[in-house]
Amino acid sequence: KQEVTQIPAALSVPEGENLVLNCSFTDSAIYNLQWFRQDPGKGLTSLLLIQSSQREQTSGRLNASLDKSSGRSTLYIAASQPGDSATYLCAGHIGWGKFQFGAGTQVVVTP
Amino acid sequence: GAVVSQHPSWVICKSGTSVKIECRSLDFQATTMFWYRQFPKQSLMLMATSNEGSKATYEQGVEKDKFLINHASLTLSTLTVTSAHPEDSSFYICSADDPNTEAFFGQGTRLTVV
Repeated sequence: KQEVTQIPAALSVPEGENLVLNCSFTDSAIYNLQWFRQDPGKGLTSLLLIQSSQREQTSGRLNASLDKSSGRSTLYIAASQPGDSATYLCAGHIGWGKFQFGAGTQVVVTP
Repeated sequence: GAVVSQHPSWVICKSGTSVKIECRSLDFQATTMFWYRQFPKQSLMLMATSNEGSKATYEQGVEKDKFLINHASLTLSTLTVTSAHPEDSSFYICSADDPNTEAFFGQGTRLTVV
């Protein structure tokens, strides 16, 4: 069974610092790896989707890498802002519409 | 992009009553939708797969008689929490795959049973 682990569970940084969020998964047989943002009491906002054949994806200040062989993905957020404060979830797409989620990393960016 | 709409966004109900949550795909047809549940400080866990025109498939440990799923059309799946109890209080979220792009998630429903 696929297990997804996110480290650290929580992270607090001053504004302007870069953020590094880690995700590991036990089964490399994933269709893709997706990063989401979740604000308190809200749904999910998709940030980046990395297909299994890709090694990274970039969108603005966000960059996500994927290493299937080692079962790892990393989300980098450059020059963090207070508005980046949220919980970040990674999820392995393990089948048609099925995701295995990590528990998330709660990020606080202080002004 | 494709949108999945979930309603209501939050609901408070009395213990013993039933609550229905709707999940709609707004601009694409979804023969399959998925229901997840998230307890505080925990990850989203897949509850069941909703199949249009047929019975839902439930994950291990999820009571099918308590969480009734109906997928009567290609754009609508409903989750009914029957005889709700305080331990059913959670965040419920649905998703659907747009075959042309990726999976999309609803806004989620915060259920509080008092």
